[in-house]
Amino acid sequence: GAVVSQHPSRVICKSGTSVKIECRSLDFQATTMFWYRQFPKQSLMLMATSNEGSKATYEQGVEKDKFLINHASLTLSTLTVTSAHPEDSSFYICSVQPGQGDEKLFFGSGTQLSVL
Amino acid sequence: DAKTTQPPSMDCAEGRAANLPCNHSTISGNEYVYWYRQIHSQGPQYIIHGLKNNETNEMASLIITEDRKSSTLILPHATLRDTAVYYCIVSFQGGSEKLVFGKGTKLTVNP
Repeated sequence: GAVVSQHPSRVICKSGTSVKIECRSLDFQATTMFWYRQFPKQSLMLMATSNEGSKATYEQGVEKDKFLINHASLTLSTLTVTSAHPEDSSFYICSVQPGQGDEKLFFGSGTQLSVL
Repeated sequence: DAKTTQPPSMDCAEGRAANLPCNHSTISGNEYVYWYRQIHSQGPQYIIHGLKNNETNEMASLIITEDRKSSTLILPHATLRDTAVYYCIVSFQGGSEKLVFGKGTKLTVNP
């Protein structure tokens, strides 16, 4: 199966700082990546769709200026949580569609963000 | 909102078959049924998907009713490592279209 690498796996930061999370597709090119957030004991909530070479599409209620997404290449998308606050503490997960004709998504291992 | 309904939790004995049901009564004709699972503190893992016909792979079998309003994921010989939250999702293509996750079923496989 396709390999999706997500880093870091865990990060602890102070309130007010920014945190960058990377999502890499290791063995294929991905024009589209998805970013999800998951709070404890809850399901995954889609935050945004990351499109290579264009602006991300954000879901309703997700602040685009707070959660900056950059998809500058076909193998890398980054999510930056700017001016993080304790309520941003969550499990962030990226997913990738390998390409046309492959109908399933592959997910990264997730990043646990804890904001103190 | 998720278009599927699943029981919140199920238990299964190790070595026995685990049958996880899913209702998707509003599914449209060209929507697929996808199953993913999420082991604690990890990203979801694709299991199987289908449109109309029953499907089987190395992980599981998917049984879709003739009216397509419900389906069952079958893990033929559950192991302790199959303990996870299982998500049933309907989607037009599953890749190009974003996946909307419901609450899933927490399957606990007991020794």
